[in-house]
Amino acid sequence: GQQLNQSPQSMFIQEGEDVSMNCTSSSIFNTWLWYKQDPGEGPVLLIALYKAGELTSNGRLTAQFGITRKDSFLNISASIPSDVGIYFCAGVGRDDKIIFGKGTRLHILP
Amino acid sequence: DAGVTQSPTHLIKTRGQQVTLRCSPKSGHDTVSWYQQALGQGPQFIFQYYEEEERQRGNFPDRFSGHQFPNYSSELNVNALLLGDSALYLCASTSGTGLTEAFFGQGTRLTVV
Repeated sequence: GQQLNQSPQSMFIQEGEDVSMNCTSSSIFNTWLWYKQDPGEGPVLLIALYKAGELTSNGRLTAQFGITRKDSFLNISASIPSDVGIYFCAGVGRDDKIIFGKGTRLHILP
Repeated sequence: DAGVTQSPTHLIKTRGQQVTLRCSPKSGHDTVSWYQQALGQGPQFIFQYYEEEERQRGNFPDRFSGHQFPNYSSELNVNALLLGDSALYLCASTSGTGLTEAFFGQGTRLTVV
């Protein structure tokens, strides 16, 4: 079945640093989604990408839909303490099912 | 405007028992999807309900079943619970059957002992 490879699994960074994470797949997706999940909460949608090559920003977050439609990345600029959490990529295929990656755990060192 | 609400928030059950989890979608949404999130993993799609019918299903056994009511709320039922069913169960709602921009509830943490 369809699978997403999300990397890195975890990141330890200093406050103020930029962050980059990505997702790749052997399958083509029509939509890429990026979610953030805080402890004890459900995932919250950060950015949705609908076209190959699309680059979209949401404040300090920027995400791109890869040209091949098999990958996507998320960048966070000038990280702050509230950015801590788990970030999930998700791909939506022709069957409209959402496939999630395993997540990137972001830790910010004091 | 209430978002997606799920109940209960936590639940402990014994192997072999049956469990029912509940979800009320965000106001204006008519489609509910259920996900299972094991510890340290991403959510996995169980099934989707629209117009009171199961429209799509992931790779989950028949022990997992559901229902949608006329007010769009939904239930997830799991029979013959196994230890491996311990997970966070998430409900997501959308308008229509498209799964993009789904809004998630905070989940029900199920522990099977």
